[in-house]
Amino acid sequence: DSGVTQTPKHLITATGQRVTLRCSPRSGDLSVYWYQQSLDQGLQFLIHYYNGEERAKGNILERFSAQQFPDLHSELNLSSLELGDSALYFCASSVASSGADTQYFGPGTRLTVL
Amino acid sequence: QKEVEQDPGPLSVPEGAIVSLNCTYSNSAFQYFMWYRQYSRKGPELLMYTYSSGNKEDGRFTAQVDKSSKYISLFIRDSQPSDSATYLCAITDTGRRALTFGSGTRLQVQP
Repeated sequence: DSGVTQTPKHLITATGQRVTLRCSPRSGDLSVYWYQQSLDQGLQFLIHYYNGEERAKGNILERFSAQQFPDLHSELNLSSLELGDSALYFCASSVASSGADTQYFGPGTRLTVL
Repeated sequence: QKEVEQDPGPLSVPEGAIVSLNCTYSNSAFQYFMWYRQYSRKGPELLMYTYSSGNKEDGRFTAQVDKSSKYISLFIRDSQPSDSATYLCAITDTGRRALTFGSGTRLQVQP
């Protein structure tokens, strides 16, 4: 158990809908990273927050957004969902803000868009 | 060209075999090299973390980095059926905020 929690574990929804994924980092970690894992693209970085501020963006679509709250939990919002958004979404946390810090991954949320 | 290339496998070996998993990368600025293990439908877990070149050993696992060749390896000695999983290499440097992952190699250790 990495200490990172993610809810829900599974999410099934329809095209065009909006969903919110939630992540709670390990105790003491200030950074939260979101990654998407699909069969054809592998594990890809989406966005990074450190202590409530956005620090870096990766391959994140404009339909997707995220935020980190004062209690350091983070939410990833996915809107206007398409079939191709079906994937595993992981969050990871680390103590500080460098990409070289050890990142601990949560169990993931499996999103299925029908 | 992808920044990190990894053979997807699958790789099937008998129990007790030595396993060699590899990745190549293109950017010489990368300095931090990691190996994650991911069981089916689970989150990746960190196995090994190496800075710059050289070897690092932890139990049955050895990570090797050859920066001159831009080549990283993970060796598993005395492989066990419980080692069956997907192994992902990940790399980064101090200027980046996130990890760049290889596509993962699926390993099956046959009892």
